[in-house]
Amino acid sequence: SQKIEQNSEALNIQEGKTATLTCNYTNYSPAYLQWYRQDPGRGPVFLLLIRENEKEKRKERLKVTFDTTLKQSLFHITASQPADSATYLCALGPNDYKLSFGAGTTVTVRA
Amino acid sequence: DSGVTQTPKHLITATGQRVTLRCSPRSGDLSVYWYQQSLDQGLQFLIQYYNGEERAKGNILERFSAQQFPDLHSELNLSSLELGDSALYFCASSENGWAQETQYFGPGTRLLVL
Repeated sequence: SQKIEQNSEALNIQEGKTATLTCNYTNYSPAYLQWYRQDPGRGPVFLLLIRENEKEKRKERLKVTFDTTLKQSLFHITASQPADSATYLCALGPNDYKLSFGAGTTVTVRA
Repeated sequence: DSGVTQTPKHLITATGQRVTLRCSPRSGDLSVYWYQQSLDQGLQFLIQYYNGEERAKGNILERFSAQQFPDLHSELNLSSLELGDSALYFCASSENGWAQETQYFGPGTRLLVL
């Protein structure tokens, strides 16, 4: 069956460091992968989309990579700030209408 | 503010009851999605509508039903409620309903079944 796995442990990092989150998938051939940010009690907010033929995408301090051979995406937050503390969700769109979300990784950035 | 509105914000009800959650998509978006998020399950896709028609179905229970009206707002009906239905219910919208499109999420309805 299709599976999406994100870092099972929460990530605690010092301000200024880089946070790296992983999203691994099995039994999928996604054409697109998206990353969302979710704050407690609020709806997810779209951050970045990367297509299967793209290796890397950047937006300000965010960087996403997509390796279809490894079936993995990495999400980096560089020069992290306390305001980056949130849960980050990866979502895969396998060429149909449905977007499937991972369980998310909670990031806490310490000042 | 995503432009997606959901009402009510909170709902407390008893087991066996029926509730209706309402969602208005962003202006111009034709597709609406419903998700359920509980602590142990993460964000689970329930159902998607596009321009009034059902387009995709996820893990939606038979006790749950939804529809999208001509003005594009959508309602999710939950009946014969059980304790395990307590969760955050999110509505999202996108322009044309393709998986690669950005989905804009509403603030959610927190349902507590006692």
